[in-house]
Amino acid sequence: QVQLVQSGAEVKKPGASVKVSCKASGYTFTSYYMHWVRQAPGQGLEWMGIINTSGGSRTYAQKFQGRVTMTRDTSTSTVFMELSSLRSEDTAVYYCARESDTSYGFDIWGQGTMVTVSS
Amino acid sequence: QSALTQPASVSGSPGQSITISCTGTSSDVGGYNYVSWYQQHPGKAPKVMIYDVSNRPSGVSSRFSGSKSGNTASLTISGLQAEDEADYYCSSYISSSTNYVFGTGTKVTVL
Repeated sequence: QVQLVQSGAEVKKPGASVKVSCKASGYTFTSYYMHWVRQAPGQGLEWMGIINTSGGSRTYAQKFQGRVTMTRDTSTSTVFMELSSLRSEDTAVYYCARESDTSYGFDIWGQGTMVTVSS
Repeated sequence: QSALTQPASVSGSPGQSITISCTGTSSDVGGYNYVSWYQQHPGKAPKVMIYDVSNRPSGVSSRFSGSKSGNTASLTISGLQAEDEADYYCSSYISSSTNYVFGTGTKVTVL
């Protein structure tokens, strides 16, 4: 079945970097764009950016420009999101989400990866 | 880009209908017919309930419907059931550069 499986929870110190993976299965990986969305504890959803899984081009939300890098590995159908210079406000659940190929919206979501930033 | 505005909470009794609003601007909600709605139960990933203002994905109950007027989109849940108790988020496509913005979220309580 179509699914996105993300890497496990991470605990990082302020100033460090974190890299979260999202492995796709059950569909043609390069036929769909992938997004990253985060959710701080008790807060709403926040769009972070998009990666074209075919060509590799990326667009990041202005808030994360300079700190986030999204990449993909087509050989393993995996996308990655790396966030650097972590601060406590980056503590959140990070989701990968597939963009529908027929509509503007996210049809498949990963299970989420909790990233905790604490000294 | 500011988040779209949703009421913090909406409640209703089983069997009733409720409506959640999602207010943006002419640059997002009002400018595109690309509003989607997501349901999120505690500790779970969001699930799409409505695409492109009013289209329901296969497998989503017909009790969920969407509409839009000007800069405000709405999600209506009819025949409210206990399982509908969750957080709901709207989202709008904005542009190829900014892509998407989410709403502030609404907690639906079934009394």
